[in-house]
Order: sequence, then structure tokens, then C-alpha cells
Amino acid sequence: AQSVTQPDIHITVSEGASLELRCNYSYGATPYLFWYVQSPGQGLQLLLKYFSGDTLVQGIKGFEAEFKRSQSSFNLRKPSVHWSDAAEYFCAVVPLAGNTGKLIFGQGTTLQVKP
Amino acid sequence: EAGVTQFPSHSVIEKGQTVTLRCDPISGHDNLYWYRRVMGKEIKFLLHFVKESKQDESGMPNNRFLAERTGGTYSTLKVQPAELEDSGVYFCASSRDTEEKLFFGSGTQLSVL
Repeated sequence: AQSVTQPDIHITVSEGASLELRCNYSYGATPYLFWYVQSPGQGLQLLLKYFSGDTLVQGIKGFEAEFKRSQSSFNLRKPSVHWSDAAEYFCAVVPLAGNTGKLIFGQGTTLQVKP
Repeated sequence: EAGVTQFPSHSVIEKGQTVTLRCDPISGHDNLYWYRRVMGKEIKFLLHFVKESKQDESGMPNNRFLAERTGGTYSTLKVQPAELEDSGVYFCASSRDTEEKLFFGSGTQLSVL
């Protein structure tokens, strides 16, 4: 079955430290890949997406993600975390050439930032 | 530009009652989606409207859920009768077309007691 796995339910990092959130997918072919963030009281906001091309994707708020076909992974990174990055992060996929509004989400990773 | 708006933000009802959730998409967005997140689980697709037509309702859990989008503007999602397992956060999202990014509302937290 098609699935998205975010192995870490909860992560705590210190402000200024680097961050990596993991995402693995299970699909026959490389799907479209997304990262969303939900801050408290807000809707989900698209951080970045990968459809094809360069496997290192730059997003908003200083985030980037790297697609690794061999590992079926699309990990999210940020070199220096800010307190405002505390939120819940969702990895999501859409089957290739599918409707990009019909997302399949991972379970989410809650990021806590220590001062 | 106003974002996607959902009403109410919270709803607490008793099992067996009826609840109607509303979503106002961004003006001009023909595509409207409903998603749901049951506590502790992942966010799951419920259905997709293109204007007033249901394009895909493969994620609707059962016939207690009825979604409408009269006139292709706002949408409602009615749960009748509500069951305990319907508790969760219901998200709405919209886009101009299926190739463009989704804009999500902040969700309706539904608690069925």
C-alpha cells in the first residue's frame, strides 16, 4: 500500500541548532513530494515541493529538502532553527501525474524549540 | 487576499446530533478539498470539488457524511448522526487548479461526546 512515514513524532532542538526531519515514502514510482507546516491556530502552509529536476529543493523560511531516490526519502532540513519554527511538520505525497490536491500525509512531526 | 475560512473553529456535540461545518475558499478557486485528522492519526483526504461538482469522494468514510458546494462557492460538510469516532480536525483547502498549490484553512475541531 502507498504510505508516507515520518519516524519521529516529536523532536526537540535548541534555538540556533540544525534540524533534520525525516520522511520516507512507499510507492512504485517517484511521487510528487511536499512538506507542510502547521503553526498553532493556523492552517497548513506549503514549505516546499519536489516534482522533478534538482534533488535539493529550497523552500520558504530557510528550509530545504533533499530527494534521495535510492532511499525513498525526502528529508527536511534547516541549518539554524528559530523559536518561531516550533510547529508541526507534515510530509506529503501525490502519485505521479495525480491531482496535486489529493495529498497523502505522514503522521506529522512536532518540533519543539528550546531557548 | 482573504485566505480559506472555516466555521466554526470548534464544535462540541453529543453523539447522535447533527453538525454542519462550513468552508469558504479563496475567491476564484474552483478546486475545494476536505481533509480530516482523527486524533493521533495522519491527515486524510475526504473529497474534492471542482466548482459545484464532486470530482472525487473516495475518502468519505460513510453515508453519515454529506458534502455540498452549492453554486461553486462555499462548501458545507454535514455529519448526521455524529458518532464518537468522527471527532477530529476537519480541514478545508482550495486551489485555482489542480496543478497549483493548496491553501488550507485553520480547521474545525469537532468533538463528539
